[in-house]
Amino acid sequence: GGIITQTPKFLIGQEGQKLTLKCQQNFNHDTMYWYRQDSGKGLRLIYYSITENDLQKGDLSEGYDASREKKSSFSLTVTSAQKNEMAVFLCASSIIQGAIAEQFFGPGTRLTVL
Amino acid sequence: TQTVSQSDAHVTVFEGDSVELRCNYSYGGSIYLSWYIQHHGRGLQFLLKYYSGNPVVQGVNGFEAEFSKSDSSFHLRKASVHWSDSAVYFCAVSAWGAGNKLTFGIGTRVLVRP
Repeated sequence: GGIITQTPKFLIGQEGQKLTLKCQQNFNHDTMYWYRQDSGKGLRLIYYSITENDLQKGDLSEGYDASREKKSSFSLTVTSAQKNEMAVFLCASSIIQGAIAEQFFGPGTRLTVL
Repeated sequence: TQTVSQSDAHVTVFEGDSVELRCNYSYGGSIYLSWYIQHHGRGLQFLLKYYSGNPVVQGVNGFEAEFSKSDSSFHLRKASVHWSDSAVYFCAVSAWGAGNKLTFGIGTRVLVRP
C-alpha cells in the first residue's frame, strides 16, 4: 500500500499572504490533484497534473498556482490569502487506466486566514 | 458538462437499520460513477465504482450501489449500518475522456445512533 502526506496539517495565514501547501505520494501514481473543500459545497478541483511537469487548471484555479516538481510531489500556492477564509485543501493521486481510476486522498490541510 | 446532485444533506439512522443515499447525475454520454466516504477530519476513501456491466456493484464494508440509466441515478445502500458508518458520503461522476476529473456532489452526512 501507499500513503499521501500533506504538510502542514494546519495553516494559519494573514490576509494577502502567499501560502504554500505540499503533497507527497508514494503510490508511484501518474496523476495528482488539488481540491478545495468548503462546508456544504463538496469538493472543487483547483489544479491537477497528469504526469510530471504537466499542469492543468481545474474549475477553481483563480487565486492559486501549482507545481509538479517530480512524480511524487505536487505543491499548491495560495497567491494572496483572503481575510476570514477557511477551507480544507485535499490532495489526491491516481493512476490512469483509460479514464477510470479511483483516487487516493491525503488527510488534508486546514487553512485559516486571520 | 456533467453535474451530480445529492438531495439529502443529512440522514440519521439507528444502528442495524438500512440506509439509502441518493445520487442523481446529468450527462449525455458515457459516464463513470463512484462513491467516497469521509470520516471526520480525514481524507476521502473510495467505496465503489460503476462504468459498465452489472448495474449493481458491491463495495467495501457491505455497501452496494445501483446504477439506473433511466433515472440518471446511482444510489448507495447498506442493509445494516454500524456506528462506524457515521461519516460524509460523496457521490462523484466523471465523463469518459475527461482525464479522470471527478465532479463531486456536496455530500450526505450520515449519523448512526446506537
